[in-house]
Amino acid sequence: DTGVSQDPRHKITKRGQNVTFRCDPISEHNRLYWYRQTLGQGPEFLTYFQNEAQLEKSRLLSDRFSAERPKGSFSTLEIQRTEQGDSAMYLCASSLVAGAGSPLHFGNGTRLTVT
Amino acid sequence: AQTVTQSQPEMSVQEAETVTLSCTYDTSESNYYLFWYKQPPSRQMILVIRQEAYKQQNATENRFSVNFQKAAKSFSLKISDSQLGDTAMYFCAFISQGGSEKLVFGKGTKLTVNP
Repeated sequence: DTGVSQDPRHKITKRGQNVTFRCDPISEHNRLYWYRQTLGQGPEFLTYFQNEAQLEKSRLLSDRFSAERPKGSFSTLEIQRTEQGDSAMYLCASSLVAGAGSPLHFGNGTRLTVT
Repeated sequence: AQTVTQSQPEMSVQEAETVTLSCTYDTSESNYYLFWYKQPPSRQMILVIRQEAYKQQNATENRFSVNFQKAAKSFSLKISDSQLGDTAMYFCAFISQGGSEKLVFGKGTKLTVNP
């Protein structure tokens, strides 16, 4: 078990640029979640996948945000035309589908700073 | 929509003493799970303890235990024999069983264990 891996750890970008983050879940986990965490707040749900299917998206996920999990393994989260309000920690988590009570395993996150 | 409230933004405790973190939630669901997650400084979030709503018995994990009051919609975390390594943000979280498969977090409580 190598844990959930996220890349990069930190990203600084200028407003208006596009950024892409990658998440590699624990290998046998078929559920993958994206959360956003701003300073002093708890994580806010963005979207989740079961295998390659995106099953739910939050209203927080505007049309500038897109997430994919093409082969049911790693996932990418892209933010187009970044805004300063996008600055946050983006967390990825994975779990086994064994009911809603399956715990989520989190990665270290990608900290995005938009200048 | 489910909400989770943690009314204590910060708490501190002396090493070896006991501390209780509060959490209340709001839901119309009858079947759900509750969690406490720990996020140490600059480290990934990890599961501390989980409680199934249909179980009356309070969950325990070594020094960590919960007081689950379903009617009051309260889910507090007790940490006994506090250790310096318990210093972290603690998040209470809720997920319904059979409904939306997203984990809803509170804003967190910053716990500092003092030597």
